[in-house]
Formats: sequence, C-alpha cells, structure tokens
Amino acid sequence: AQSVTQPDIHITVSEGASLELRCNYSYGATPYLFWYVQSPGQGLQLLLKYFSGDTLVQGIKGFEAEFKRSQSSFNLRKPSVHWSDAAEYFCALDSGNTPLVFGKGTRLSVIA
Amino acid sequence: GAVVSQHPSRVICKSGTSVKIECRSLDFQATTMFWYRQFPKQSLMLMATSNEGSKATYEQGVEKDKFLINHASLTLSTLTVTSAHPEDSSFYICSADHYLRSTDTQYFGPGTRLTVL
Repeated sequence: AQSVTQPDIHITVSEGASLELRCNYSYGATPYLFWYVQSPGQGLQLLLKYFSGDTLVQGIKGFEAEFKRSQSSFNLRKPSVHWSDAAEYFCALDSGNTPLVFGKGTRLSVIA
Repeated sequence: GAVVSQHPSRVICKSGTSVKIECRSLDFQATTMFWYRQFPKQSLMLMATSNEGSKATYEQGVEKDKFLINHASLTLSTLTVTSAHPEDSSFYICSADHYLRSTDTQYFGPGTRLTVL
C-alpha cells in the first residue's frame, strides 16, 4: 500500500535561512506528488506538484521540490524563509486510483 | 494519534438521488472541518470550511445548495450531495482542525469515493 512519510513533525528556522522539508513515499510505480501548505484556520493551498518530466519542480511563493526516484523522496526547499512561511506543510501522493495519501505534516516555525 | 473517519468509504447512487457523507473526529474536538474534492490526477480542491454551530463558508464556484454542509457538533460534520449527477462522481475528503492549535492540528479523513450512475 502506498504511504507518505514526513519525518519531521516540527522545524524551526530563522528568517532568511534556507529550508528543506523532507518527504518520503512508498509506491510501486511513479506517483503524482504534491506539496500543500496550510496556514492556521485555513484550507490547504497547493504549492507545487510533480507528475512527470523535469524532476525539479518550481512552485508558488519561491518554493521548489525535487523528485528523486532512487531515494523515493520529494523534498521541499526554499532558499530564504520569510516569517509568513510559518505554517503546516503536507506532502501528498496520488496513485491515480485512491484518494490522496497525505503525510502527517511538518509544522514550520520561523524566528527572527 | 488523532483519527478522523469518514462514512461511507464508497457509495454508488443513481442520478437524482442525494448522498450524505459523514466526517467524524474520533478522539478530539474539531472546531473547524474542511471538505475537499479530489479530481483524478489533479490537486485537491477545497469546497468549504465548516465551523461548528455556524453556516459553512463555501469556496467560489461551489454550489452551496447542491453541497449541503452541516457541522452540528464538535466531532461531526456532514456533506450532503443533493440531486447527484454523474459529474459529481469524485473523491471527497474531509479534514478536521484540532481545537488545540498548539499541536499538530490538521487531520485528514480517508476519503469517500462517490460514484453516480
């Protein structure tokens, strides 16, 4: 069965520092992968998605993610974090035949 | 950990009938629940935000008379698809916002696959 693991429950970074959020998946074929962000009290917002092609995907708000098949990973990165990036981030997998499988989320805190 | 359930997991209905989907937070109170619709090979679409004891807030383009949402208690929200049509066939996913915002607050249900014949 497919699964998504986000190993880090909570990450704190300084404003202006770089960020990498980890996501590992388990699936027998090439999945469709997503990163969502959720601010407190808000619904999910799609940051970026990977379907095929270029393994480095650019998203909104300056985020990017790299699909690495050999590592079954789809880590999210941002070169310089802003205080407004503090939120919950979810990695999700779509096998095309079931509802999205989400990771448990990583909460990002940004300090001055 | 916190668990959100959805019932039913799968439902098949005839065109023109109504279907109710339940979303329950099993071991925590959820002041806010979200309903999403998932299109095949596409991202999730937020349909509405459901707050306990008040009317749901619908996203633009979502027909509130067609997708009735009721959040009668802190552990239950329901989505009723009225007069369902084949184009309503989709996965519907709910999520619940833990009332303790200092914790890992967002929990997703497993989804409900609706097929309208």
